[in-house]
Amino acid sequence: DQQVKQNSPSLSVQEGRISILNCDYTNSMFDYFLWYKKYPAEGPTFLISISSIKDKNEDGRFTVFLNKSAKHLSLHIVPSQPGDSAVYFCAASGEYGNKLVFGAGTILRVKS
Amino acid sequence: DTGVSQDPRHKITKRGQNVTFRCDPISEHNRLYWYRQTLGQGPEFLTYFQNEAQLEKSRLLSDRFSAERPKGSFSTLEIQRTEQGDSAMYLCASSSTGTQPSYEQYFGPGTRLTVT
Repeated sequence: DQQVKQNSPSLSVQEGRISILNCDYTNSMFDYFLWYKKYPAEGPTFLISISSIKDKNEDGRFTVFLNKSAKHLSLHIVPSQPGDSAVYFCAASGEYGNKLVFGAGTILRVKS
Repeated sequence: DTGVSQDPRHKITKRGQNVTFRCDPISEHNRLYWYRQTLGQGPEFLTYFQNEAQLEKSRLLSDRFSAERPKGSFSTLEIQRTEQGDSAMYLCASSSTGTQPSYEQYFGPGTRLTVT
């Protein structure tokens, strides 16, 4: 069963506009959520995280929003840049040992 | 801080052969994780260590897979009698329970395994 879902396989946005990547989860025990960015032939790079006690966390151009009642989180990138083009993974944790459960990823293409 | 390193970056092997991968975590990190990623999917948890103790193994980790972290520093992942279904990217990550938040894991570049 997929506990973390990213329903959009790909997203294309114009440079300078906002990119919104979405993620849904089913396990109520998750209490920490992370976003990773991945370029081809590289490992995932940690981007931003949010604890379940918060509903928003911001770091520069990146903001993550968490809606616990809907079991939904989103990553906003403003303004989008061509270098942001990558695969973005949503991940969740909360079990002992803090292993991460990942979604399948969303390919973001930022057009210049 | 040189980050998480993995060796080799690529491995091509024939079905039935044994392979071993190495991971060197960030030096002050006491937790080390192994994940596997196949095309079009996110990384899937395989196993993790806290110091030298292997505390959890996924049901994905068949008895052909074994992992060690003998001195609580680097780790090895061995796959015996490889099968074509083992072809994947094997990712290592590390984290520290001594920092907040300890949930944040930092990944290495991965080892791409191709079984022919």
